[in-house]
Amino acid sequence: AQKITQTQPGMFVQEKEAVTLDCTYDTSDPSYGLFWYKQPSSGEMIFLIYQGSYDQQNATEGRYSLNFQKARKSANLVISASQLGDSAMYFCAMRDNQGGKLIFGQGTELSVKP
Amino acid sequence: ETGVTQTPRHLVMGMTNKKSLKCEQHLGHNAMYWYKQSAKKPLELMFVYNFKEQTENNSVPSRFSPECPNSSHLFLHLHTLQPEDSALYLCASSPQLSNQPQHFGDGTRLSIL
Repeated sequence: AQKITQTQPGMFVQEKEAVTLDCTYDTSDPSYGLFWYKQPSSGEMIFLIYQGSYDQQNATEGRYSLNFQKARKSANLVISASQLGDSAMYFCAMRDNQGGKLIFGQGTELSVKP
Repeated sequence: ETGVTQTPRHLVMGMTNKKSLKCEQHLGHNAMYWYKQSAKKPLELMFVYNFKEQTENNSVPSRFSPECPNSSHLFLHLHTLQPEDSALYLCASSPQLSNQPQHFGDGTRLSIL
């Protein structure tokens, strides 16, 4: 069975510094996708970044990058130059390429301090 | 205009009431989803629709009844809910049932009295 684990319930980071949010996954499927979503206190889920299991390079989207280590089954999110608006819940999710359901982790609450 | 719109944003209802949640997407997507997010828990997939056909029901109690009249609209009909059904209900859509990002609405925060 597929599983996503986020071991950090809460994280603090100083404004303008970088922060890494951990995500490990477990699947027996060779083909899958990994996603990170941001959920502010208002509730909406905002898609941040995607990494395919066969992608050779780590995904990047602006200040977000994904540190994909396939052998270790980890897909950590790195946020560079943190901003106060980055304070939110962050969810890691996985989906297999057969159109299976999106499995979410427990989430990490990030607080950016001025 | 946001891609995925959910109404209402907040809903308070008694256990004997009947209400419906509405989701509309303006992205031309063919797959739509309902998720439940309880406090301090990860999102749980409830239903999946692809081209108006239900493709997944994740063992959801029958007091939740989905309806998908077309690829742009998705409803969740609620009746005789329980207090533990209080949660944030999120709708999402994606172009297809494949490894493409799902786009979420703002959610409906439901409270059962």
